[in-house]
Amino acid sequence: AQSVAQPEDQVNVAEGNPLTVKCTYSVSGNPYLFWYVQYPNRGLQFLLKYITGDNLVKGSYGFEAEFNKSQTSFHLKKPSALVSDSALYFCAVRGDTGGGNKLTFGTGTQLKVEL
Amino acid sequence: DTGVSQDPRHKITKRGQNVTFRCDPISEHNRLYWYRQTLGQGPEFLTYFQNEAQLEKSRLLSDRFSAERPKGSFSTLEIQRTEQGDSAMYLCASSPPQGGYTFGSGTRLTVV
Repeated sequence: AQSVAQPEDQVNVAEGNPLTVKCTYSVSGNPYLFWYVQYPNRGLQFLLKYITGDNLVKGSYGFEAEFNKSQTSFHLKKPSALVSDSALYFCAVRGDTGGGNKLTFGTGTQLKVEL
Repeated sequence: DTGVSQDPRHKITKRGQNVTFRCDPISEHNRLYWYRQTLGQGPEFLTYFQNEAQLEKSRLLSDRFSAERPKGSFSTLEIQRTEQGDSAMYLCASSPPQGGYTFGSGTRLTVV
């Protein structure tokens, strides 16, 4: 079975400060990892993914994520937060063996960026 | 617009009624997924199609739920005899064979 843990329900950060949203995963085989953002009453918007290659993945809107195989983590980061980044962030995983093609999501982390 | 389209955006129904949602995937995507998201939770997998074949169904998909994807294009998700516990956002996603998932804006169902 595959699973994702997002240990923080909410992260608060001041505008201009760096932000980190944490994610750890469990999966059979090699992981395919994703970050999505969701604004109120909207669907999920893709931010970035890790399939293979460099452990540091760069994505949309200045976000990046670092894949750490030994710690089974895929934390989302941004060097300088904006108020407009305030939203709900989801980490998701699927394995490259078994599990079909379905993504398994974490419970989400609410990011609040304040002036 | 080449994104994933879902219709309707919102649906309010009385308990016991049947509802049907539609998803139009990106045209070149052969894989289509349905997810359900309740308040404060992440999306939960319901079912998955590759072309017209339904390849996987979650245990969450009770016998009141049925999904189809005729001709491997659009898909419908029907809920029969709706219950208040069915109130949720229903999300559709599609992907090409090489992966990468694009989500629609979802259908929010409220059962009263």
